[in-house]
This record gives sequence, structure tokens and C-alpha cells, in this order.
Amino acid sequence: EPEVTQTPSHQVTQMGQEVILRCVPISNHLYFYWYRQILGQKVEFLVSFYNNEISEKSEIFDDQFSVERPDGSNFTLKIRSTKLEDSAMYFCASSELAQGAFFGQGTRLTVV
Amino acid sequence: DAKTTQPPSMDCAEGRAANLPCNHSTISGNEYVYWYRQIHSQGPQYIIHGLKNNETNEMASLIITEDRKSSTLILPHATLRDTAVYYCIVRVYNTDKLIFGTGTRLQVFP
Repeated sequence: EPEVTQTPSHQVTQMGQEVILRCVPISNHLYFYWYRQILGQKVEFLVSFYNNEISEKSEIFDDQFSVERPDGSNFTLKIRSTKLEDSAMYFCASSELAQGAFFGQGTRLTVV
Repeated sequence: DAKTTQPPSMDCAEGRAANLPCNHSTISGNEYVYWYRQIHSQGPQYIIHGLKNNETNEMASLIITEDRKSSTLILPHATLRDTAVYYCIVRVYNTDKLIFGTGTRLQVFP
């Protein structure tokens, strides 16, 4: 069964450093997403991406965040200067039009 | 904010049907109801979705009331591995995002 793959599974970084979280969506999907979940809290939408551009973003997704689909298969989330409060599980998801999104297993980001 | 209301927790005996209710009284005519679950801190797992007709797949059944103001997810024969947080989500029209609430924590016991 096709699945969304995320790497790394766990990333530890120092405050102020840049991190890139990577995702390989399901191959025939057209819509891509990033969500995050701070420990013990709800899953929160960050951004959606379609046709090589951001289609929607939340207020969390500020100038410190960016997304890219560099090579037609990978989908990345970059945080330019990490803060302690960026520590969370980050989930990538993908979907075909009018179908439920399928989520990866997440990257646990720990900012120290 | 989430447009759904779910009980915070439920118990179910292994082998019995688990019926998880959800209220979405403000749903619009073109908004879909989605169900996901999350086991521990794993990624949310898609279960099923529907618009107005009842739906069934290999995982579950979704029963939507005629007025669409509520729905029930049915796991016909719950197993211990079905212990998870179950989220009922109304996908807002003309948007791709899913707005997760706090869900129902289902505990399946032996």
C-alpha cells in the first residue's frame, strides 16, 4: 500500500538553527500538506501546496517557514531560525482531489 | 475552530461494535465529514469520509443522519489495536485543510 514517507524520524537542533524536514508524498497525489502537533495538543494545519505554489496557510506559517517541492517527488518544510516553541511532531500529508489526506508518521523536532 | 462535537472518551469491549458519535449541526450542504484516528503520537490515519450517504469500507462504516447534523462511526468488531483517538472532521467547503478537534479517546478492553 502506498504511503507518505518522512525523514528524519527525529531531529534535534539548537535554537536559531535552520532545519529542513523532508517528505515523499504518495506518487500520484496532487495536494501536499504540513501539519504539526505540539506534545499533548491538537493537530494543527500549517500549509497546503498545489501546482507548485502555496494554496493555503495558517497564521502559524509565518516568514520563518517555507515549503518547496524541489524535484517532483520530495516535499520539504524549512524552518529558518528555530525557536523552542517550534518543538513538535511535524506531519506531512498528501491527497488526490476530493479524497482524504494520507499522513506520514511524522518527524519529531526537538529544539534545545 | 472545529465544527464538530465529540465525547472526550469511550470504552468498548474487544469483539464488540464501537459506535462513535459526532455532532456537526452547522454543517453546510457541500461539506464532507471525515474520520481519522491517531494511535499514540503516530500520524493521523484516514478511516472514511462521506457527504450524505452512508459509507462502508474495510475499516469502518459511516452513518450520516438525514439532516446531516450528526454522524456515527462504527467499528464492527473492535480489537485492542483500535485503541486510539478518533477525530470527526468537517472539511470546510473550498478549502483543503482539515481542522482537528480534541476527538474521542476510544479504549478497547479485553
